[in-house]
Amino acid sequence: ETGVTQTPRHLVMGMTNKKSLKCEQHLGHNAMYWYKQSAKKPLELMFVYSLEERVENNSVPSRFSPECPNSSHLFLHLHTLQPEDSALYLCASSQDSPGASYEQYFGPGTRLTVT
Amino acid sequence: AQKVTQAQTEISVVEKEDVTLDCVYETRDTTYYLFWYKQPPSGELVFLIRRNSFDEQNEISGRYSWNFQKSTSSFNFTITASQVVDSAVYFCALSGDNAGNMLTFGGGTRLMVKP
Repeated sequence: ETGVTQTPRHLVMGMTNKKSLKCEQHLGHNAMYWYKQSAKKPLELMFVYSLEERVENNSVPSRFSPECPNSSHLFLHLHTLQPEDSALYLCASSQDSPGASYEQYFGPGTRLTVT
Repeated sequence: AQKVTQAQTEISVVEKEDVTLDCVYETRDTTYYLFWYKQPPSGELVFLIRRNSFDEQNEISGRYSWNFQKSTSSFNFTITASQVVDSAVYFCALSGDNAGNMLTFGGGTRLMVKP
């Protein structure tokens, strides 16, 4: 496989469920990102990992818990979500080096519906 | 603080028309990077261009062209002879040298190209 892949593509879960979103990048990048895209809202950066260390957490509720076991894989663990958490969750990866900002490559997203 | 404004929320054109998508940005960084992404109905954001603040040359890639003007803090995107396949949401994004790879996205412009 090439690029950035995400599974599952669609997920419906109840508010009491626990589920995980998975992202994998095959581009040799060293940084990975989670974004949330809700209807009629700008893309919101949730978490950033660089060299497997979390470098950004944009005041995201604790019901979202990221995990980056290595530079190619990123997870988003979900528990006790609210209906307003229904959105498209996008994963991205890029190179990260000091003094420069490189383009991010995005996966197809997971469409999450919380019932 | 960084900000990206895409004032046009929706544009509708007829095939073969030229169309320009506006992007205005705000940043205090002296070095920064600007990006455009395309999001077709499938949901995946597709990288189109990356431009650094020291390079004000306009760029052309096939039917796509970009006009970067620091004096007006704008980075506009023109599609020449639009096609139905150009229908998508287009996002402009900014990353400052103090923000690493963290992108600030505009709200997006939905482009509809009718046959």
